[in-house]
Amino acid sequence: EVQLVESGGGLVQPGRSLRLSCAASGFTFDDYAMHWVRQAPGKGLEWVSGISWNSGSIGYADSVKGRFTISRDNAKNSLYLQMNSLRAEDTALYYCAKDLEPFRVGKNAFDIWGQGTMVTVSS
Amino acid sequence: QSALTQPASVSGSPGQSITISCTGTSSDVGGYNYVSWYQQHPGKAPKLMIYEVSNRPSGVPDRFSGSKSGNTASLTISGLQAEDEADYYCSSYTSSSTVVFGGGTKLTVL
Repeated sequence: EVQLVESGGGLVQPGRSLRLSCAASGFTFDDYAMHWVRQAPGKGLEWVSGISWNSGSIGYADSVKGRFTISRDNAKNSLYLQMNSLRAEDTALYYCAKDLEPFRVGKNAFDIWGQGTMVTVSS
Repeated sequence: QSALTQPASVSGSPGQSITISCTGTSSDVGGYNYVSWYQQHPGKAPKLMIYEVSNRPSGVPDRFSGSKSGNTASLTISGLQAEDEADYYCSSYTSSSTVVFGGGTKLTVL
C-alpha cells in the first residue's frame, strides 16, 4: 500500500525548533520529488517546501525561507522538515506529499498525501 | 507569492454542472501548463483531481475536467453528485520555482 506517515508535530514555544519526519512506503521513494504543504486551522493550503529526487533542487515559500530546511534520506525512504525560529503563524497541520515527477521544475502535482502532523506554536 | 484567486463558494443541484475559476498571473497560471486541482473533504487529506491543466489521474471520474485561458484556469464538474461536496483548491508552478495554491472554494451540492 502506498503510504506517507508524518510525525514529529506538537506544542512548541515561539522561537524554538521542531523537526518533522515523513516515512514513505509502497513506492520507489527516490524516483520522486517530495513536498511539505501546511494548512492552518480553518484555512487553505499553503505550499511550504519541495525537494527533488536527489536533493539537487530545493525550494521554499517566502514565509519560511531562512527558517525551515527540507531534506531527505533516500536510503531510509524518509523526508524531513527542520523548523527553526517558529512563530505563532506557523501553527498548522503539516502534510507530506509525493510529486508525480522526480524534478521540482515541472508538474508539481501531488498525488499521494499523508494524514498530516499538527504543529502548534504558542507560549 | 500571492495566493491564486478562487471564489469562496459555489453551489449547484445534483446533475447540474458547475465551474470553479482560479486566477493568477503570467508568472504562474498564465506562464505554465502546470495547474493542478485538489478536492478536500472535511478532516481528510487533499486528493489530486486534475494535473497539467486538464489531465485526470487514474480513478478520477471523467465528470471532472480542467481548462485554462490566459491567466485563469477552471475546474468543471458535470453531473454533480452529493459526494462532490467538498473544498477545492487550485495550484500552479511559478516562475520562482515554487508552488502557489488558491484560497479554496467550498462547493455545496444543494
